[in-house]
Amino acid sequence: GQSLEQPSEVTAVEGAIVQINCTYQTSGFYGLSWYQQHDGGAPTFLSYNALDGLEETGRFSSFLSRSDSYGYLLLQELQMKDSASYFCAAPREAGTALIFGKGTTLSVSS
Amino acid sequence: DSGVTQTPKHLITATGQRVTLRCSPRSGDLSVYWYQQSLDQGLQFLIQYYNGEERAKGNILERFSAQQFPDLHSELNLSSLELGDSALYFCASSVASQASGNTIYFGEGSWLTVV
Repeated sequence: GQSLEQPSEVTAVEGAIVQINCTYQTSGFYGLSWYQQHDGGAPTFLSYNALDGLEETGRFSSFLSRSDSYGYLLLQELQMKDSASYFCAAPREAGTALIFGKGTTLSVSS
Repeated sequence: DSGVTQTPKHLITATGQRVTLRCSPRSGDLSVYWYQQSLDQGLQFLIQYYNGEERAKGNILERFSAQQFPDLHSELNLSSLELGDSALYFCASSVASQASGNTIYFGEGSWLTVV
């Protein structure tokens, strides 16, 4: 079957850097996405990797290694507002709907 | 504001009842996805429609059904409700039939509580 595994919780302090890992098993590969969800809110798109390497978007970067079926989200210069859940996601077979990991809850403290 | 509209925002109903959740996708988006989010199961994909046709089916129970209408809005029908159906139900939309490489945009969700 298809699955995405990520840690359930990560804690960090303001100004620090944190990395959230994701390993995936999918039938075929159609890219890895990252979404952020604040408590009770709608998930919002952060980043997408189709090819190996690093994609940078401001303080957030995402990395992909297709040979290792592995990716990570890197958050730099952490702020309190970054406290949220972060989900990695990948399309199901034939590139249709996204399936999501169970999410990593990031808690940023001062 | 993602542009995806879901109603109702909150709903409390009794076991055994039936409810309908409604979703209007972003203007121009042809795909609609339904997800269920509960504390222990994360975001579970239920079903996808593209331009009125069912495109993909996930972990949707037989008691649940959905459809997409000609104006592209979608409804998720939940029947014979059980306590375990209490969850946050999200609708999302995208332009294309494939989510890969395309951002999907989520609505604010419908909180369903079954008592």
